[in-house]
Amino acid sequence: GDSVTQMEGPVTLSEEAFLTINCTYTATGYPSLFWYVQYPGEGLQLLLKATKADDKGSNKGFEATYRKETTSFHLEKGSVQVSDSAVYFCALSDSGGGADGLTFGKGTHLIIQP
Amino acid sequence: GAVVSQHPSRVICKSGTSVKIECRSLDFQATTMFWYRQFPKQSLMLMATSNEGSKATYEQGVEKDKFLINHASLTLSTLTVTSAHPEDSSFYICSARVGGSYNTGELFFGEGSRLTVL
Repeated sequence: GDSVTQMEGPVTLSEEAFLTINCTYTATGYPSLFWYVQYPGEGLQLLLKATKADDKGSNKGFEATYRKETTSFHLEKGSVQVSDSAVYFCALSDSGGGADGLTFGKGTHLIIQP
Repeated sequence: GAVVSQHPSRVICKSGTSVKIECRSLDFQATTMFWYRQFPKQSLMLMATSNEGSKATYEQGVEKDKFLINHASLTLSTLTVTSAHPEDSSFYICSARVGGSYNTGELFFGEGSRLTVL
């Protein structure tokens, strides 16, 4: 079945550091890929997505590129801020994120120190 | 964006009692809602898919008689944990997909409900 593997946390960085959170997946078809963010006390929010190979999703300074050859969708940001502290989930869907829900990774807790 | 609201956000109950969690889409109609369960330091695990006006579809290993799901309207799905036990303590999260002609395939998530069974 489908699965998503992302790096274990917590990841602790200083403000303005470069961020990479690795995500790899296994899927039977050509899935859509997502990054969700969960701020403390809040529900998950879609951060960015990519629906086909070589697509790049971007939002709020975060980027991730759909790499079919390496089955990866790593999240990057050039300069993190304290407000980026949250839990980040990589996810995939075999049906565009709609018909059958999402398969999530375990989440990576990101802590940004001033 | 679309808003999904869950209630209650936290609930504590005694073992053997039943607890109902509501999931509402506030500004859109959701023909399909999903219920997830999240254990500490674990990912969200899909429990079931709730379709308006029909029976829910449960994932393998999820007891349908224990986790009753009702999707009676296009804006409300409920999850009832029956005869709760301490091992049912978890964080339950719902999500809703925009339905009808506005289906973008994107899911919108509620804030989650933390259940503690004593």
